[in-house]
Amino acid sequence: AQSVTQLDSHVSVSEGTPVLLRCNYSSSYSPSLFWYVQHPNKGLQLLLKYTSAATLVKGINGFEAEFKKSETSFHLTKPSAHMSDAAEYFCVVHGSGNTGKLIFGQGTTLQVKP
Amino acid sequence: EPEVTQTPSHQVTQMGQEVILRCVPISNHLYFYWYRQILGQKVEFLVSFYNNEISEKSEIFDDQFSVERPDGSNFTLKIRSTKLEDSAMYFCASGSTTRGYGYTFGSGTRLTVV
Repeated sequence: AQSVTQLDSHVSVSEGTPVLLRCNYSSSYSPSLFWYVQHPNKGLQLLLKYTSAATLVKGINGFEAEFKKSETSFHLTKPSAHMSDAAEYFCVVHGSGNTGKLIFGQGTTLQVKP
Repeated sequence: EPEVTQTPSHQVTQMGQEVILRCVPISNHLYFYWYRQILGQKVEFLVSFYNNEISEKSEIFDDQFSVERPDGSNFTLKIRSTKLEDSAMYFCASGSTTRGYGYTFGSGTRLTVV
């Protein structure tokens, strides 16, 4: 069965410093992986997606993620955090089958300190 | 940019009452989903819907829940007899394919059962 594990429930960084949010996946086949962001009282917004093309995926707002099959990881990074990046981040994988359901990780809360 | 619209944004209901959560997916999308997020927990898949029928449902989606697309544009989730544990944020999502695509999510309906 497909699953994702987010290794940190809470990450705190200072503004202008790099961001690293970690995600490991488990999949019986080549997965489709996503990162979504949820700002307070807002919906889920797609940050980026990996669909078996380039292993380094660039998303919105300067975020990127690298798919590493050997490590079964899909970590999210950003070179320099901005206050507006403070939010909940979800690593997501397509579930098995053909219905397109998504399996969410537990989420990582990113705090950005001034 | 096209949006998925959910109404109401917040609903309070008494235990045992029926509630209908409404969603207007993106017009040319064919695949529709409901997810829920209990406060402090991860986002969970409820049901997927395609071609006017349920394509997959989770264990959460028991006989108290139903979905329909009554008029070709709206997509509704009905909870027949609400329980306290149904209190959650409910997200609607739609997509044009089931693979390699990040779905568009609505902003959610926060359901509070008292």
